[in-house]
Amino acid sequence: ETGVTQTPRHLVMGMTNKKSLKCEQHLGHNAMYWYKQSAKKPLELMFVYSLEERVENNSVPSRFSPECPNSSHLFLHLHTLQPEDSALYLCASSRGTGGVYEQYFGPGTRLTVT
Amino acid sequence: AQSVTQLGSHVSVSEGALVLLRCNYSSSVPPYLFWYVQYPNQGLQLLLKYTSAATLVKGINGFEAEFKKSETSFHLTKPSAHMSDAAEYFCAVANRDDKIIFGKGTRLHILP
Repeated sequence: ETGVTQTPRHLVMGMTNKKSLKCEQHLGHNAMYWYKQSAKKPLELMFVYSLEERVENNSVPSRFSPECPNSSHLFLHLHTLQPEDSALYLCASSRGTGGVYEQYFGPGTRLTVT
Repeated sequence: AQSVTQLGSHVSVSEGALVLLRCNYSSSVPPYLFWYVQYPNQGLQLLLKYTSAATLVKGINGFEAEFKKSETSFHLTKPSAHMSDAAEYFCAVANRDDKIIFGKGTRLHILP
């Protein structure tokens, strides 16, 4: 595997389910990100991790819970989601968290909440 | 605070015609500027990046962008559009120590 991978690519879940999204980067980067991409909305930064430490949490509801066990893996745990949470969830990584470092994105997980 | 504005949520060009996607930024410090492309059902892919080394930046797939400080612009161009260029394009701005701010995106349609 190369670059940034995400699993699953598609997920349908009910509002009472618990599921997790997984992201893995094979680039040796130190920073990882979760973004939410909804139709007709700008890309929304959700969480930022640097060297496994969360450095940013952009007022994301507690039904989204990130986990970064090491610099190569990032998870997003989901529980009791709402239909408006349906979106494409993108993971990204970069060498560092400053703007000088370009981000590399995974293909995303298309989430549908029913 | 930084911001980026992409003019036109949809742009249509004929195959073989010039592609011009507009991006204006606001930044109180010298910015880093990016163009990303997103093909259907994929993540974002970096097209090119401006880091103050040269005002004309060449990227992948024949795209280039010119940094114009006086106009606070970083427009993306390609001399001749190809059907495979149909995608959504995102302009983004950052300063050295802060997060990247993405624009709302411009969907490029290529007409046969």
